[in-house]
Amino acid sequence: GAGVSQTPSNKVTEKGKYVELRCDPISGHTALYWYRQSLGQGPEFLIYFQGTGAADDSGLPNDRFFAVRPEGSVSTLKIQRTERGDSAVYLCASSLGGLAGVDTQYFGPGTRLTVL
Amino acid sequence: AQTVTQSQPEMSVQEAETVTLSCTYDTSESDYYLFWYKQPPSRQMILVIRQEAYKQQNATENRFSVNFQKAAKSFSLKISDSQLGDAAMYFCAVTISNFGNEKLTFGTGTRLTIIP
Repeated sequence: GAGVSQTPSNKVTEKGKYVELRCDPISGHTALYWYRQSLGQGPEFLIYFQGTGAADDSGLPNDRFFAVRPEGSVSTLKIQRTERGDSAVYLCASSLGGLAGVDTQYFGPGTRLTVL
Repeated sequence: AQTVTQSQPEMSVQEAETVTLSCTYDTSESDYYLFWYKQPPSRQMILVIRQEAYKQQNATENRFSVNFQKAAKSFSLKISDSQLGDAAMYFCAVTISNFGNEKLTFGTGTRLTIIP
């Protein structure tokens, strides 16, 4: 596609429910990142994929959060037993993923998650 | 670990005037990269400008330029001839190149208002 897309745009759920957030990166981008942006804050890193593998998941806040990228393209961020503190905008970004220099990350429009 | 500080939560500028947004950062690495991203109400982060730390020359992109002071760990953004479309949140970010893992560390942002 022309850019990074994320679905849904908005998600409202109840405390304790399970949610899945989807990211469709730019075609050909091997690197994919998830960030979380709480109200009034800058985005915070959650997890990084290179191809199909999660190369760095050090930003995931706890084991209720999990992400996959089974075919090296689309990624899904999964949150179990949601809590009100999980309410935030979840941003996805992709980049070429080369090892020379630093590639620009292109961001999607984000998913706004609201946990009631 | 990297840290980024943006000490100006809000700034305003008259249309067609010049404004400078401040950013300071901290890193123990010698090879790092700095970015300014713009986030309009649509939530999508858009790259404004980037600077490689090893380059002494300040980056410029049309009306946008940076003042990179490596010793002071300062990376300010200057917007010339401000336009209404420049109104947005602006985030400063830093990353290091770590075998492909280029996760960004962001500041808390500066909200820029353009006064017609």
